[in-house]
Amino acid sequence: GAGVSQSPSNKVTEKGKDVELRCDPISGHTALYWYRQSLGQGLEFLIYFQGNSAPDKSGLPSDRFSAERTGGSVSTLTIQRTQQEDSAVYLCASSLHRTGAGETQYFGPGTRLLVL
Amino acid sequence: GENVEQHPSTLSVQEGDSAVIKCTYSDSASNYFPWYKQELGKRPQLIIDIRSNVGEKKDQRIAVTLNKTAKHFSLHITETQPEDSAVYFCAANSGYSTLTFGKGTMLLVSP
Repeated sequence: GAGVSQSPSNKVTEKGKDVELRCDPISGHTALYWYRQSLGQGLEFLIYFQGNSAPDKSGLPSDRFSAERTGGSVSTLTIQRTQQEDSAVYLCASSLHRTGAGETQYFGPGTRLLVL
Repeated sequence: GENVEQHPSTLSVQEGDSAVIKCTYSDSASNYFPWYKQELGKRPQLIIDIRSNVGEKKDQRIAVTLNKTAKHFSLHITETQPEDSAVYFCAANSGYSTLTFGKGTMLLVSP
């Protein structure tokens, strides 16, 4: 079946502009995660959605970052007033249930964001 | 919250040698420890995982060991091949919901 998909695959923007990144999880997966991966760095947790519960936003680095998940499926990560330090690969993952129960997270291909 | 340390950051081996990557974690409540492999320009993919009720798990050339008392776990790759070259990430669950990842190990297997 179809895996996690993300769009766009690459995004170049100017400093100060807003960007929206999209994630389509695997159908039926209740949990969705956003991570940021900077060059040569690990996976930095940003935000987690589980079903209809309030999201865990504890990893968002600033109030310029926000995310929503509509209808328990597609998610959009929005970065307002982008800065050069926002340049990174943004990865989305989904799992059937919450990962703490030992569920595998399946990753999308990522969106490579470059802020000029 | 959970903190995961991973060593080494880079590892170079000759084809056929073994490779070992080690991780430590801080939260004694963590009970799920996956390992992901990320090839250049690709997405991370799960290669093996272990739960806290076992001490070792093997899948062909890959094995993971877990020492809950010492709060560390390791990935062992035997008979390495050039296609094993990638970045490997360890992780531990944080509470019931999320994973905390190590910073990754770049493994280079030379023919």
